[in-house]
Amino acid sequence: ETGVTQTPRHLVMGMTNKKSLKCEQHLGHNAMYWYKQSAKKPLELMFVYNFKEQTENNSVPSRFSPECPNSSHLFLHLHTLQPEDSALYLCASSQEAQTSGRDTGELFFGEGSRLTVL
Amino acid sequence: AQSVSQHNHHVILSEAASLELGCNYSYGGTVNLFWYVQYPGQHLQLLLKYFSGDPLVKGIKGFEAEFIKSKFSFNLRKPSVQWSDTAEYFCAVNAPYSWGKFQFGAGTQVVVTP
Repeated sequence: ETGVTQTPRHLVMGMTNKKSLKCEQHLGHNAMYWYKQSAKKPLELMFVYNFKEQTENNSVPSRFSPECPNSSHLFLHLHTLQPEDSALYLCASSQEAQTSGRDTGELFFGEGSRLTVL
Repeated sequence: AQSVSQHNHHVILSEAASLELGCNYSYGGTVNLFWYVQYPGQHLQLLLKYFSGDPLVKGIKGFEAEFIKSKFSFNLRKPSVQWSDTAEYFCAVNAPYSWGKFQFGAGTQVVVTP
């Protein structure tokens, strides 16, 4: 049990489908993230939300659309994906300092959603 | 932009052997440094972290890492590995005040044979 729960764990979709990934954190953290993990590549930061506000969009194509209705929930809406988008999508949360401070919190990860785009 | 380089993509060693995984980063300023581990079928979890102070950091499960500022390195070590240390290991960096924007290395797959 990580405190960060992702659903579904596995998803297969066609290029014309619309689906969503869900993440919920039970840790009381104020920041949530989406990362993409592809084989033999570094984890790629996609989106960052602090206090429900998006603070980072790391040049992610618009076919990925994040939503953060509150500080405990994060969604990734998927639309007209490409086969190269197949990957493990990881959600993470952390407790960030509310003022400028060095001690940024560690990331707590979910187990990921394995996405296959046909 | 920050980048993180892990020297080995795949390491195979026997139980009781010593392990050292290299990590170098490129960033001109002060950084926070982390090692994460992903056991087969499990989520990424923190092994250890360095923010400041003693450059030799001890983490869970007998792991330690040494921050060498002059070499921009944060190598992970374990004197004697066990079969249960089979996992993928990721080095990560972020800058202070960065609101958690971590830069990860590509990972090193470690296989420990009985």
